[in-house]
Amino acid sequence: KNQVEQSPQSLIILEGKNCTLQCNYTVSPFSNLRWYKQDTGRGPVSLTIMTFSENTKSNGRYTATLDADTKQSSLHITASQLSDSASYICVVSGPGGFKTIFGAGTRLFVKA
Amino acid sequence: NAGVTQTPKFQVLKTGQSMTLQCAQDMNHNSMYWYRQDPGMGLRLIYYSASEGTTDKGEVPNGYNVSRLNKREFSLRLESAAPSQTSVYFCASSEQSNYEQYFGPGTRLTVT
Repeated sequence: KNQVEQSPQSLIILEGKNCTLQCNYTVSPFSNLRWYKQDTGRGPVSLTIMTFSENTKSNGRYTATLDADTKQSSLHITASQLSDSASYICVVSGPGGFKTIFGAGTRLFVKA
Repeated sequence: NAGVTQTPKFQVLKTGQSMTLQCAQDMNHNSMYWYRQDPGMGLRLIYYSASEGTTDKGEVPNGYNVSRLNKREFSLRLESAAPSQTSVYFCASSEQSNYEQYFGPGTRLTVT
């Protein structure tokens, strides 16, 4: 069964610190992997998208990595800010038709 | 560009009542989607429309119907609401299926 699992479920860090969120998936075949940020009460917003041939992609302080062999991805947040407090969702798609699976998300709290 | 808009933002229904959630996008996207999001769970696909004139069931279609009115609009109808349909509903659109999706702000629905 195609699945996307994220860890940790939630995380609390101090402002200015770095953190890394994990995503493991079993979706096969694989087309692309996306990370979304979802602020409370808002819809998800795309941070990065990676295809099979890409193993790292950055968007400002956000850097996503992908290991398609082990089916793992991570999202690294550098120098966290209070505004980074949100849920981060890993989404994996297969080719053809509609094969998109959402992870349950990691809830990040950044404290002053 | 407004992106993806949804109405209403909030709704309370009694069991057995019906209602239609409206969604529109102004990005000339071909594909549109309806998701529900429940606490602790990932977004789950209810229905999607790969292109104008087509609709397909997703993971949790029971109790819902959809209409792709034109390329811009995709509505979700609850014919006889049940408490299990209490959730936050998100509409999304993408250029093509499995491409990056853009989400609306969501509709918070409570069924009593």
